[in-house]
Amino acid sequence: SQTIHQWPATLVQPVGSPLSLECTVEGTSNPNLYWYRQAAGRGLQLLFYSVGIGQISSEVPQNLSASRPQDRQFILSSKKLLLSDSGFYLCAWARTLEGAQYFGPGTRLLVL
Amino acid sequence: GQQLNQSPQSMFIQEGEDVSMNCTSSSIFNTWLWYKQDPGEGPVLLIALYKAGELTSNGRLTAQFGITRKDSFLNISASIPSDVGIYFCAGQLSNNAGNMLTFGGGTRLMVKP
Repeated sequence: SQTIHQWPATLVQPVGSPLSLECTVEGTSNPNLYWYRQAAGRGLQLLFYSVGIGQISSEVPQNLSASRPQDRQFILSSKKLLLSDSGFYLCAWARTLEGAQYFGPGTRLLVL
Repeated sequence: GQQLNQSPQSMFIQEGEDVSMNCTSSSIFNTWLWYKQDPGEGPVLLIALYKAGELTSNGRLTAQFGITRKDSFLNISASIPSDVGIYFCAGQLSNNAGNMLTFGGGTRLMVKP
């Protein structure tokens, strides 16, 4: 069976510090991968998606970036965090050409 | 861009009552999905619908893919306290590079024991 992991679960960072969130998927190969952000009590905003190693598409201009160094690894980064980067970050995977996406447990980020 | 209108935004019901929520769109979708999110956790897929008119059940949950392909509803029968959470609909357009989803704004369900 497939599982998706996110690390860390919770993070508190000062404004201006760098960020690296990791997402890994097990039990499948060549998945589509996605990064979402969710503000408190709000819906899901797609940030990035990837259909293969090294292939990143950005949906929202921002100071965040994503990378996919391995088939089942997706990383969300920032060089300098802003207060507005606080939120709940969700990674998801999907089988190529199928509709359903499966979400990880999320990382709660608080920028102070 | 495409939008999904999900209603109601919130519901406060008595345990044992049935619940109904729906999503509508101005665009035609080829897939409808329903997720539930508990506080502090990632959304969990409840039901996936792939054909117009399809009616699918998962325990006390029933969802339908509207015949026009522009709407979907989710029903929960005989609600229990653990049904509390936020329910999201999501749709996928045809010929969508990356199989991206469009999400509704969510329905927050509260159940009074």
